[in-house]
Amino acid sequence: QVQLQQWGAGLLKPSETLSLTCAVYGGSFSGYYWSWIRQPPGKGLEWIGEINHSGSTNYNPSLKSRVTISVDTSKNQFSLKLSSVTAADTAVYYCARGGSGSYYQYYYYYMDVWGKGTTVTVSS
Amino acid sequence: SSELTQDPAVSVALGQTVRITCQGDSLRSYYASWYQQKPGQAPVLVIYGKNNRPSGIPDRFSGSSSGNTASLTITGAQAEDEADYYCNSRDSSGNGVFGGGTKLTVL
Repeated sequence: QVQLQQWGAGLLKPSETLSLTCAVYGGSFSGYYWSWIRQPPGKGLEWIGEINHSGSTNYNPSLKSRVTISVDTSKNQFSLKLSSVTAADTAVYYCARGGSGSYYQYYYYYMDVWGKGTTVTVSS
Repeated sequence: SSELTQDPAVSVALGQTVRITCQGDSLRSYYASWYQQKPGQAPVLVIYGKNNRPSGIPDRFSGSSSGNTASLTITGAQAEDEADYYCNSRDSSGNGVFGGGTKLTVL
């Protein structure tokens, strides 16, 4: 059974760089999208971006200038860096495994395994 | 458009059927996936693809799609189904996008 374990600094000052890592246990690293999602307090989910095993990335356009997602296949880990954080970046950050497929003329995309979440607070 | 629109809140009587909807242009090309989130917990995938349930998800959860609208139906809602529900898809640029979420209350 695949499990994701995530970690990283939970308290940052404005202008610092958020750094989180997610380790994948019990499953293949290839063939999936490895994603980051965040949830500000009391608000909904926001997709941050994703990377596949070969290093190809997609980022949320609203965060693209500050986000870097990288992968270390030798360790089955992927990481998130978000630069120049502000209070608006305070959120629970989740890592997740994504899959995709197609059925006739439709595509589908989903995230079936999630980490437990890391609370990141940005405060001076 | 990269937006997915959900009703903020829906209620259902215990044992009755409820439909939660998600609208967006991308749903004309993508099936939505649906996630259940209870307070203090990570989201859990409940429906993906045309109408697929991951292992362990009760069969009272089902999904459907028509035009630009995806629906999650809970047939015979239970008290433990009270949660926030989010739809998810990709937009026309291939980026992930979530709906704003629907808070389901089971009366």
